[in-house]
Amino acid sequence: TQLLEQSPQFLSIQEGENLTVYCNSSSVFSSLQWYRQEPGEGPVLLVTVVTGGEVKKLKRLTFQFGDARKDSSLHITAAQPGDTGLYLCAGASFGNEKLTFGTGTRLTIIP
Amino acid sequence: SQTIHQWPATLVQPVGSPLSLECTVEGTSNPNLYWYRQAAGRGLQLLFYSVGIGQISSEVPQNLSASRPQDRQFILSSKKLLLSDSGFYLCAWSPTWSGHQPQHFGDGTRLSIL
Repeated sequence: TQLLEQSPQFLSIQEGENLTVYCNSSSVFSSLQWYRQEPGEGPVLLVTVVTGGEVKKLKRLTFQFGDARKDSSLHITAAQPGDTGLYLCAGASFGNEKLTFGTGTRLTIIP
Repeated sequence: SQTIHQWPATLVQPVGSPLSLECTVEGTSNPNLYWYRQAAGRGLQLLFYSVGIGQISSEVPQNLSASRPQDRQFILSSKKLLLSDSGFYLCAWSPTWSGHQPQHFGDGTRLSIL
């Protein structure tokens, strides 16, 4: 069974600070996706990383896929209240229609 | 553009009653379809997925069943609900031609069992 552990589980920081959340597994994935979910809504895809070592930037968000394709990180620069939400990573395996979702990081940005 | 609709948004049911949650996708053909359950503030547990009409794969043994009577319709059902069936249920679709299976979610159904 593939597992994706996210850390920290909860994170509360002041507006303007930087932060990093992590997504780790012992399994290799063909790609890894990050989603953000707000209360009462479904997750929304932020980014997909495909190549080991790949770095993608989405405004103040930087996503990195580990060289061995087993882990990923999300770094947010100068966090804003609009970044508040549940961040979920999800791994895809070659030839598999299913995603393995991580345990989630609940992020709260305090104005 | 593709859209996914899921209803109802909120449902309160007594223990032992039946359940039917519906999900429809528009703007695409032959999508992969998924039902998930989410515990409060946590990750998603895959319940069922379907790669075509009438094709259902179950991920965990449980009190629920799923059906896909039409290409873009996915239904989650139960004959008799248990207290443990309470939760947030999410439907999602992904394009079959995508090698990286990004999934697109509905807004979910909050199910409370009394």
